[in-house]
Formats: sequence, C-alpha cells, structure tokens
Amino acid sequence: DAGVTQSPTHLIKTRGQQVTLRCSPKSGHDTVSWYQQALGQGPQFIFQYYEEEERQRGNFPDRFSGHQFPNYSSELNVNALLLGDSALYLCASSLGSEQYFGPGTRLTVT
Amino acid sequence: GIQVEQSPPDLILQEGANSTLRCNFSDSVNNLQWFHQNPWGQLINLFYIPSGTKQNGRLSATTVATERYSLLYISSSQTTDSGVYFCAVETSGSRLTFGEGTQLTVNP
Repeated sequence: DAGVTQSPTHLIKTRGQQVTLRCSPKSGHDTVSWYQQALGQGPQFIFQYYEEEERQRGNFPDRFSGHQFPNYSSELNVNALLLGDSALYLCASSLGSEQYFGPGTRLTVT
Repeated sequence: GIQVEQSPPDLILQEGANSTLRCNFSDSVNNLQWFHQNPWGQLINLFYIPSGTKQNGRLSATTVATERYSLLYISSSQTTDSGVYFCAVETSGSRLTFGEGTQLTVNP
C-alpha cells in the first residue's frame, strides 16, 4: 500500500517565478492538506482540499493556490515567488481525522 | 488561534536513557497527533491520541484533554530515536496546528 507521495523532491526557482508541487494521497484517502515548514519551525497549515473544493485556508496570501483532481491527487501553486517562500512543503492525506504526511518538496528560491 | 507549546526545546541523552516530552495546548481540541521528523524531513506518525494512553514498543503517550496537555515517553532510547518530535492538535475542520518541536539527540 503506497503512502503519500510528492514530486518533485527538490526544486530551485528564481524570485518572481511560479512553481507547481504535486501530491498523491494514501490509497483510500479523500482529503489533502498542504503545509509549509520553514527551517527550524513547525509546519504551518496552508489549505485543505476535499471533494475538489478548498475546504479550509490558513493565513497565506492569494499567491498560494491549489487544486484537487477527481482521483484525489492535488497540486499546490505558488505565484510570484519570494525569497521567504523557501521552505519544505508537506502534503498530508486523511480519511477522517488522522493525517499522514508525504516526504515533502524542498523549495529554494534564489 | 490555539497555541501549542512543547518542552523541552532541546534534549540530549545517552543511549539507554528514558525521556518525557511535553505538549501543552491553550484550548479544547478534537484530536492530537505525535510525529517524529527524521533528518530527511519525513514526518512519521507515532500516535493519534485525543485522550487516554497508548503504547507502541518503547514509546507511549498520554493525553489529558481536560487539563490540555499530552506527554510522550521514550524508554531505553536508541540513536535512531534522534530527530525532532512534534505535537500537533486538530481544532476546527481537521487542520493541524503544530508546536515548535523538541530536538532530541541520542548519543552512543
């Protein structure tokens, strides 16, 4: 049974560019959440998708957007990248309350 | 929003020692999870424990929801236990709010 997968593993982008990160949930899970983890801090909630709709959103600007597909996989898009967007981006999936995390995508903005 | 505080922030142990990590939260929660983050960044589920006590091998956890805290016990620590331990609580709508973590180093 495959766990949560994310791609790519690492990514280097230039300030002002746009990036798309991808997540496939654990088999049977229908809810996907995205988190941003800056160095030395705990993960922070970005948003959550369920039934292809954004169900909840944390305190992140509109530059952060997402999508969920009919197969429950999800994308996170970040526009107009800033240096401060450099972080580990974690995807979590769930069916009910307990969340399971993927290995993350490490984004570096130069 | 809810505040989650973990203590201690850093802990250094000799292999074989026992330890207790604490998580305090400022409001009622629906659920609570403990995670271990390995050096590569992967968050590994340890416990899903909204209340009560659970044990899994050398690890156990207790959550006292009415007093707004949870404890993670690690017994007979091993070098592979090193990493960051996070407590995360679920409030409204299944979003998780994380503490700042406890950095555990186990020396051989």
